[in-house]
Amino acid sequence: EPEVTQTPSHQVTQMGQEVILRCVPISNHLYFYWYRQILGQKVEFLVSFYNNEISEKSEIFDDQFSVERPDGSNFTLKIRSTKLEDSAMYFCASGDIYGYTFGSGTRLTVV
Amino acid sequence: AQKVTQAQTEISVVEKEDVTLDCVYETRDTTYYLFWYKQPPSGELVFLIRRNSFDEQNEISGRYSWNFQKSTSSFNFTITASQVVDSAVYFCALSNTNAGKSTFGDGTTLTVKP
Repeated sequence: EPEVTQTPSHQVTQMGQEVILRCVPISNHLYFYWYRQILGQKVEFLVSFYNNEISEKSEIFDDQFSVERPDGSNFTLKIRSTKLEDSAMYFCASGDIYGYTFGSGTRLTVV
Repeated sequence: AQKVTQAQTEISVVEKEDVTLDCVYETRDTTYYLFWYKQPPSGELVFLIRRNSFDEQNEISGRYSWNFQKSTSSFNFTITASQVVDSAVYFCALSNTNAGKSTFGDGTTLTVKP
């Protein structure tokens, strides 16, 4: 069964550093998403991406966040200057008109 | 605005007991989709079911069953004869499209004791 692959599974970074979280969506999917889950809390929508542009973003997705599909296959989330409160599990998802699939997540720890 | 409420924060049962996880949703859309996900201690989100608003038939999959009632805006999940491996956090989610952004509930932590 096709999978959404996220790398790395766990990343530790120092506060103020830039971090890039990577996702390989299911091929032929057209919709892409990032969600965040702070430890012990619910899963929160960050951003959706369609046709090479952001289609919707939440209040959480401020100027320190950006997304792109650099090579038509990967889908990345960049956090420019990480803060302690960015520590969370970040989930990528990709979908088509029939539904979407989550990746297994990247646990980001900011120290 | 969409909202999902999972009133049960934590549930603890003994193995082989049946357990029902409640989910109540709010939306102004006439077409929407409801989901249940399981999040085991390892952290990944495991898709369990998707139900669209036009299909109110209840569904059974092995020990799992779902009761969708539009009249009460509820989409409850029942595990029959619970097992220790069912211990996890369960999330109910709502989307206005089949592939659109989802709004998640706060989750219910289920602990099944041997």
